[in-house]
Amino acid sequence: ILNVEQSPQSLHVQEGDSTNFTCSFPSSNFYALHWYRWETAKSPEALFVMTLNGDEKKKGRISATLNTKEGYSYLYIKGSQPEDSATYLCAFRGTSYGKLTFGQGTILTVHP
Amino acid sequence: DAGITQSPRHKVTETGTPVTLRCHQTENHRYMYWYRQDPGHGLRLIHYSYGVKDTDKGEVSDGYSVSRSKTEDFLLTLESATSSQTSVYFCAISEGRLAGDGEQFFGPGTRLTVL
Repeated sequence: ILNVEQSPQSLHVQEGDSTNFTCSFPSSNFYALHWYRWETAKSPEALFVMTLNGDEKKKGRISATLNTKEGYSYLYIKGSQPEDSATYLCAFRGTSYGKLTFGQGTILTVHP
Repeated sequence: DAGITQSPRHKVTETGTPVTLRCHQTENHRYMYWYRQDPGHGLRLIHYSYGVKDTDKGEVSDGYSVSRSKTEDFLLTLESATSSQTSVYFCAISEGRLAGDGEQFFGPGTRLTVL
């Protein structure tokens, strides 16, 4: 079983704060790293799919970086808004294991 | 929104009874997945399919079977439901050359309670 760890487990921030969280994954046999956003009572929605070491992706105020050699990815949210409150999931796909393994998620709560 | 539906959306059943959950897609995507979501465990893969009649096990496949006789439908069956199978079940689909290539699109989920 692959080990995909996310930290912190939960995070409370004030509106306007910038925040970041981490996904750690095996550094060998890397193929892709996915980030998903999961709002309460909804289904997960993809944010980014990252495949190359050094990749940086951005969507609005959310961005992500990828370091495959050391096995981590950061997700950043600039100027958090209450509507950013959600669980953020990362998922790893290795070349020798053709399916996604999800981390347990980081629960973000943004207080007005 | 990707065209994925799950049925039923809610089900309460008794231990020992068979249960079948259905996932239907209108996107013609090749890959389909069944996950379960439990507190403290995130999303865990039960089974997935990479084409009609082609399926493979995930990390928590014991007690579950699947079938895919048409591109658009992926069925998850609990042959004899147990209380440990009480969970929320999500179906997902993706396209791409290989499983895990492309982003996955998730259905609305099915809440199953086994008494």
